[in-house]
Amino acid sequence: AQKVTQAQTEISVVEKEDVTLDCVYETRDTTYYLFWYKQPPSGELVFLIRRNSFDEQNEISGRYSWNFQKSTSSFNFTITASQVVDSAVYFCALSGARWDQGAQKLVFGQGTRLTINP
Amino acid sequence: DAGITQSPRYKITETGRQVTLMCHQTWSHSYMFWYRQDLGHGLRLIYYSAAADITDKGEVPDGYVVSRSKTENFPLTLESATRSQTSVYFCASRVKREIALGEQFFGPGTRLTVL
Repeated sequence: AQKVTQAQTEISVVEKEDVTLDCVYETRDTTYYLFWYKQPPSGELVFLIRRNSFDEQNEISGRYSWNFQKSTSSFNFTITASQVVDSAVYFCALSGARWDQGAQKLVFGQGTRLTINP
Repeated sequence: DAGITQSPRYKITETGRQVTLMCHQTWSHSYMFWYRQDLGHGLRLIYYSAAADITDKGEVPDGYVVSRSKTENFPLTLESATRSQTSVYFCASRVKREIALGEQFFGPGTRLTVL
């Protein structure tokens, strides 16, 4: 069975601090996809990144970076120089690569509520 | 405007009543999904559909019914609402079966309260 764990329920930091959101996943599949979504206070889900299990290169997009480590089944998300607008709930999610491997659904973690204080 | 819309955005109902949440997408995506979001659980899949008239159960289907007579619509019905169905409901769609081949888009959500 697939499972995603975000152990940090809430994180609160002061603006401009760096913050890392942890994500640990479980799957028996050799090919799978990992995702991060942002849910701002307005409630919609905003796609941030999709990563293939074969691609372990870290990715950076502006102030956002992602560290994928297959050896520890982790896909952590770091925000550098955080801003108040980064305040949101962040979800990590996992999907199988094929329909018979659970590709019909995204398995979400519980979410981490991030508050950036001015 | 193109995209996924959900209606109503907010709904309050009473235990035992039937409620239908609507989802409409303008992209003609084949695949559509219903998730519910609850504190401590993230989002969980209720039902999904691969095409018109093809639906299947997800992780938490009990108490829900879906239909898909047209590609663009995927209504979710709570036949007899219970308090445990108080949640935020998200509809989603994507064009390809394998998520690697296409983005999955989420609607804005419907906040349902069952009293």
